[in-house]
Amino acid sequence: QQQVKQSPQSLIVQKGGIPIINCAYENTAFDYFPWYQQFPGKGPALLIAIRPDVSEKKEGRFTISFNKSAKQFSLHIMDSQPGDSATYFCAASIGGAGNTPLVFGKGTRLSVIA
Amino acid sequence: DADVTQTPRNRITKTGKRIMLECSQTKGHDRMYWYRQDPGLGLRLIYYSFDVKDINKGEISDGYSVSRQAQAKFSLSLESAIPNQTALYFCATGPGLLRNTDTQYFGPGTRLTVL
Repeated sequence: QQQVKQSPQSLIVQKGGIPIINCAYENTAFDYFPWYQQFPGKGPALLIAIRPDVSEKKEGRFTISFNKSAKQFSLHIMDSQPGDSATYFCAASIGGAGNTPLVFGKGTRLSVIA
Repeated sequence: DADVTQTPRNRITKTGKRIMLECSQTKGHDRMYWYRQDPGLGLRLIYYSFDVKDINKGEISDGYSVSRQAQAKFSLSLESAIPNQTALYFCATGPGLLRNTDTQYFGPGTRLTVL
């Protein structure tokens, strides 16, 4: 059973558009929800993370929206740029931070075209 | 220098061979992890270690073993490699509970091909 479901698998947007990537989870014990960004040939790197006591978190052009009752969270990228083209993974863990094993979604390959 | 290093970066081997992937970190973290990435499947946890004397199986540990030689070193072994172990392997580190505002840091990955 996949614990974290991510959609879409791939996404193409124009420069300046707002791509949205969605994730849903099953385990209500999850209490830390990070998003990782991965460029080709590199390891994933933390982009932004949220805990379930808030419904939204913004860091620069990146925003996480969190809906605890629906067990869903999403990543919005404002004013997307070609340099944002990468694979994005949502994840979840138990323990309130990233220092316990992460359960990942399957990833979304984002292409931002000029 | 990179905080989390993995060796080798690329490896091609044959079915039945024993392979060791090595990971070392300079972040001073207690916790270390091995994940496997396959196209379209995301990253899946193989093994993790919360300190030198602690080893735990992850979601897909069958066919793999690990050794935590020191706080900074965590190696992954494939005792008898098979083609469906062809994948990208990532090591990650994370702090202990006293630093719960931090996250996991990933190495650059090892691309393993089993023929």
